[in-house]
Amino acid sequence: AQSVTQLGSHVSVSEGALVLLRCNYSSSVPPYLFWYVQYPNQGLQLLLKYTTGATLVKGINGFEAEFKKSETSFHLTKPSAHMSDAAEYFCAVSDPGGYNKLIFGAGTRLAVHP
Amino acid sequence: EAQVTQNPRYLITVTGKKLTVTCSQNMNHEYMSWYRQDPGLGLRQIYYSMNVEVTDKGDVPEGYKVSRKEKRNFPLILESPSPNQTSLYFCASSLSSGTSNQPQHFGDGTRLSIL
Repeated sequence: AQSVTQLGSHVSVSEGALVLLRCNYSSSVPPYLFWYVQYPNQGLQLLLKYTTGATLVKGINGFEAEFKKSETSFHLTKPSAHMSDAAEYFCAVSDPGGYNKLIFGAGTRLAVHP
Repeated sequence: EAQVTQNPRYLITVTGKKLTVTCSQNMNHEYMSWYRQDPGLGLRQIYYSMNVEVTDKGDVPEGYKVSRKEKRNFPLILESPSPNQTSLYFCASSLSSGTSNQPQHFGDGTRLSIL
């Protein structure tokens, strides 16, 4: 069965600092991988996804993530944090052989302080 | 504007009083799904629908019902709500049911409190 682990339920960074949110997955086959962001009182928005091809994926708002099969990881990074990046971030996986079911991690709440 | 619309956004009710949360999408999407979000657990799938009249259980279906009579609508029904169903609920849709690389579009959520 697939599962997703996000290390750190809360991450705090200074404005302008590197953002690193960790995601590791467990799957019997290489899954499709997604990062979603949730701003307060809103639904989830897709940041980026990896399906096939280039393992470094660029998303919206300056975020990117790298699929590392050997480490079963899909960590999310942004070189320079902005106050508007404060939100909750969810990593999710889906089975390439299955339908659209997403398995989510528990989420990481990112705080950005001046 | 492409969107998934849920109603109501907030609801406080009492144990045992039947309620329905509506979900509608205007993107002609095949696939629709309901999730609940609880602290420390992320989102867990309740039910999903591959197309009209095709629904199936997700990971936490107990105490919930759904129907898919029209492509655009996918209501979530709690026949006899209990306090452990107090949660934040999201409806989502995606274009195709046949491939799992489709991003899902989420509604803004419904916060249910059952006393």
